[in-house]
Amino acid sequence: GAGVSQSPRYKVAKRGQDVALRCDPISGHVSLFWYQQALGQGPEFLTYFQNEAQLDKSGLPSDRFFAERPEGSVSTLKIQRTQQEDSAVYLCASSDTTLRGSSPLHFGNGTRLTVT
Amino acid sequence: GNSVTQMEGPVTLSEEAFLTINCTYTATGYPSLFWYVQYPGEGLQLLLKATKADDKGSNKGFEATYRKETTSFHLEKGSVQVSDSAVYFCALTSNTGGFKTIFGAGTRLFVKA
Repeated sequence: GAGVSQSPRYKVAKRGQDVALRCDPISGHVSLFWYQQALGQGPEFLTYFQNEAQLDKSGLPSDRFFAERPEGSVSTLKIQRTQQEDSAVYLCASSDTTLRGSSPLHFGNGTRLTVT
Repeated sequence: GNSVTQMEGPVTLSEEAFLTINCTYTATGYPSLFWYVQYPGEGLQLLLKATKADDKGSNKGFEATYRKETTSFHLEKGSVQVSDSAVYFCALTSNTGGFKTIFGAGTRLFVKA
């Protein structure tokens, strides 16, 4: 079956523009995560959904970042008024079980955001 | 809070050499431990995992043992190949940490023919 799909693969935005990044998880996966990965670093947690409920948004760096998953499937990460420090790869991952830390994450290839 | 520390890279080895990448963690509760790998041009993928103390995860010739007494999960392979060149990430998920997975900074491995 298809893996986690993210679009676009690359996005260039001028400082101050709004962007929307899409994630299509593996069908049937209940849990969905967003991560931010700076160059040469490990992924940093942003937010977590279980179905349509956003259970943890403690990693969102500012109120310019907003994520939603209205029907419990596709998710969108929106960044308003982009800043240069938002430049990074944004990773989406899904997992097939809830409330169990032993389930591995299935990652998409990410969206590379460059803010100029 | 929970955290993962892994050895800095890059690590450069000749083909058939022995590989160790060190990983230590800090966590509350009883975390599950993972190694993920990112090959050039590809997304992160699970390499192996261990869910309780003394478990050994293994895959593709790689092994790591969950050591609670030393809070470590070192990655080893007896004989590396050029195709193992990638970035390796140690990670943990704690059932008291909101189920988010915490990653180390990654270790880049180069294997020369």
